Amino acid sequence: SYVLTQPPSVSVAPGQTARMTCGGDNIGTKTVHWYQQRPGQAPVLVVYDDSDRPSGIPERFSGSNSGNTATLTISSVEAGDEADYYCQVWDSTSDHWVFGGGTKLTVL
Amino acid sequence: QVQLVESGGGVVQPGRSLRLSCAASGFTFYTFAFHWVRQAPGKGLEWVALISDDGTTRYYADSVKGRFIISRDNSKNTLYLQMNSLRHEDAGVYYCARVSVPGTVGDIGSWGRGTLVTVSS
Repeated sequence: SYVLTQPPSVSVAPGQTARMTCGGDNIGTKTVHWYQQRPGQAPVLVVYDDSDRPSGIPERFSGSNSGNTATLTISSVEAGDEADYYCQVWDSTSDHWVFGGGTKLTVL
Repeated sequence: QVQLVESGGGVVQPGRSLRLSCAASGFTFYTFAFHWVRQAPGKGLEWVALISDDGTTRYYADSVKGRFIISRDNSKNTLYLQMNSLRHEDAGVYYCARVSVPGTVGDIGSWGRGTLVTVSS
């Protein structure tokens, strides 16, 4: 089955840029979605279709996808961005939705 | 306003069954596909199952295939997850989740608050 690999943790100082990767075999040929999950809360969609933002999500959140890596970028990081972030794709080979293991973003 | 409210969680013994429900409101239920997604304590998100808007197409994670059944009642605006032969590893918070765009099976735009399932003897 298709596997998505995310680093367990990323740390960044306030005001800096956080980049979180999601690795998968030829993931650039798939459509990637990203979710933010704050402690004790349900996930929230922050980027869909590789690089689009739902309404209400700040422009600081952006996404890209090419080759074997998709990336979620958060610019001018704020304390409120501290959360777990998950990537997700549809694997048409197995007819399965797949989540990455998640990355915990810590704002120093 | 989209609302998804899960219910039916609780403590169940290994090998027993449980049925989760998700009551939906604030949108045209029968036009959207739905997922069930679960999260074991302290762990990441795990996709469980998907059902199409008309209920004719269903997909399952390998870990639950043959034991769980996703279904929906469009007349009652309700999604279900019948969980049979429960195992310890099935424990966690179960989220009802609606896709963003009607008629598609794309990204998840709305989530419920989840219902907790505990599997213990």
